[in-house]
Amino acid sequence: SQTIHQWPATLVQPVGSPLSLECTVEGTSNPNLYWYRQAAGRGLQLLFYSIGIDQISSEVPQNLSASRPQDRQFILSSKKLLLSDSGFYLCAWSPRTPGEAFFGQGTRLTVV
Amino acid sequence: GENVEQHPSTLSVQEGDSAVIKCTYSDSASNYFPWYKQELGKRPQLIIDIRSNVGEKKDQRIAVTLNKTAKHFSLHITETQPEDSAVYFCAASSPNTNAGKSTFGDGTTLTVKP
Repeated sequence: SQTIHQWPATLVQPVGSPLSLECTVEGTSNPNLYWYRQAAGRGLQLLFYSIGIDQISSEVPQNLSASRPQDRQFILSSKKLLLSDSGFYLCAWSPRTPGEAFFGQGTRLTVV
Repeated sequence: GENVEQHPSTLSVQEGDSAVIKCTYSDSASNYFPWYKQELGKRPQLIIDIRSNVGEKKDQRIAVTLNKTAKHFSLHITETQPEDSAVYFCAASSPNTNAGKSTFGDGTTLTVKP
């Protein structure tokens, strides 16, 4: 069966520090991968999605970047965090044909 | 690309009443329409989905209807319970757009009052 792992679950980082959130998927190949951010009480803001290795689309200009060095690995990064980067970050995968999206447990990032 | 609009953004009902959440989509080629429930602090999880070859699907107290002509679909929850309180997201995906990429609505916060 397919599983998705996202870590860490919580993170407190100072302003100006770097960020690296990692997400890996098991049990499937060639998935679509997504990074979402969710502010408190708000919807899912799509940050990046990827349909293949090194194929990343950015939905919103921002202080973040994403990479997909392997088929089932998706990394969200920042060189210098801003206060506004605080939020709940969710990684997700879906199959290449339309189907259910599966979400990781999420990372609650607080920038102080 | 696909655009999904979801209404209402907040919904408050009395326990035992029904709740209806509606979504519209823009891409007529979209053929998969899931609904996700997100409880506070947790990840969204699929509760029901429908594909474009059917008009209605039901699972106990939850049902989804799809009108392909009008390009809208709805979530119906009957006999609501306090544990139904959560944020609900609709989504749509097309086989022709970005390998089936899911596009989500903005969510509906449902509160069921005991």
